[in-house]
Amino acid sequence: QKEVEQDPGPLSVPEGAIVSLNCTYSNSAFQYFMWYRQYSRKGPELLMYTYSSGNKEDGRFTAQVDKSSKYISLFIRDSQPSDSATYLCAMSLGGLSGGYNKLIFGAGTRLAVHP
Amino acid sequence: DVKVTQSSRYLVKRTGEKVFLECVQDMDHENMFWYRQDPGLGLRLIYFSYDVKMKEKGDIPEGYSVSREKKERFSLILESASTNQTSMYLCASSLIAPRSGYTFGSGTRLTVV
Repeated sequence: QKEVEQDPGPLSVPEGAIVSLNCTYSNSAFQYFMWYRQYSRKGPELLMYTYSSGNKEDGRFTAQVDKSSKYISLFIRDSQPSDSATYLCAMSLGGLSGGYNKLIFGAGTRLAVHP
Repeated sequence: DVKVTQSSRYLVKRTGEKVFLECVQDMDHENMFWYRQDPGLGLRLIYFSYDVKMKEKGDIPEGYSVSREKKERFSLILESASTNQTSMYLCASSLIAPRSGYTFGSGTRLTVV
């Protein structure tokens, strides 16, 4: 079993829809949770960052962490064609692992928002 | 604007060639990483470095080596390129603090023919 599971999609939605992207994980020691957005032929860029459980909102984006269920979500409201990208979740133990800052990535979900 | 710069966006190399992929960061980050990204397989860590001249194997180091002679530069070397090394290669850097996210470069699309 992978440490982090993420449905690869693709997920296709109409413009204006609410999008829900999710990851599950197996290691209860994860403390820092991130979402990256990757446009085609580009490197991933950090989109949202949360610590422990709870919600964090940034404009149309909301990141949610449920540590009891080992489940994290990214919600996109009023989705736009410019949101079409691959979204990767990532997690960190909160301490150095082997002497470095180790992130564990999900495989990414490809999202297409059509006009 | 802080960034991670990869020297080439696209490369085409022949089987058996020695290939160098260069990465430079201007954020004074301690950690640097090389990943490859393939459809359906996600990001796979090849090598990382937590300090100058220090390197550690990641999950798929076979066929690769790295060099970090200066803090800002981390090079990935394909000793003898093979077709199964055709991939997107991503360099990343981060602070040593565990809560820090990674900053990625734009990637190098390598094709080995």
